[in-house]
Amino acid sequence: GAGVSQSPSNKVTEKGKDVELRCDPISGHTALYWYRQSLGQGLEFLIYFQGNSAPDKSGLPSDRFSAERTGGSVSTLTIQRTQQEDSAVYLCASSLQGTLSGNTIYFGEGSWLTVV
Amino acid sequence: AQKITQTQPGMFVQEKEAVTLDCTYDTSDQSYGLFWYKQPSSGEMIFLIYQGSYDEQNATEGRYSLNFQKARKSANLVISASQLGDSAMYFCAMREGQTGGFKTIFGAGTRLFVKA
Repeated sequence: GAGVSQSPSNKVTEKGKDVELRCDPISGHTALYWYRQSLGQGLEFLIYFQGNSAPDKSGLPSDRFSAERTGGSVSTLTIQRTQQEDSAVYLCASSLQGTLSGNTIYFGEGSWLTVV
Repeated sequence: AQKITQTQPGMFVQEKEAVTLDCTYDTSDQSYGLFWYKQPSSGEMIFLIYQGSYDEQNATEGRYSLNFQKARKSANLVISASQLGDSAMYFCAMREGQTGGFKTIFGAGTRLFVKA
């Protein structure tokens, strides 16, 4: 696709429910990132994929969070048993080969998650 | 430990004047990349400028320039001739090399207000 596509753009869920957020990166981009941004705050790194493998999962806040990427393309971020503090914008980004420092990362428009 | 530090939560600048947004970073990698992104109130993340750690010249893109001082580990963004549309959140980011796992991390951001 022309840009990074994320779905859903908005999600309201009840506390305790599971949610899945999807990211479709720019075609040909091997590196994929998930970030979380709470209202008015900076970007919190969650996880990074190079191809299908996740060399760095250090940012996942708890074991309720997991992510996978299949076929080196689409990625899904899953949050189990959602809590109100999970409410945030979840941003996905992709870049060409992640091992090169000069590759700009391009962001999707984000998935706004509200847990009520 | 904080790897990207933006010490100015908010900045004001008069329209048509220049403004410098500060960013310092910490890495043990020799090869890394530094980026600045703009996030207007619409929420999208817009890439502005990139500086590689081996680049000897400071990067420039139109009204944006990056004041790269490697020994001090600083990568300040200079916006010349500020415009009202420059009012936004600005994030400094670093992609580390192999030691850092090639992931890209962001600072907390600086909110810029341009006054008419």
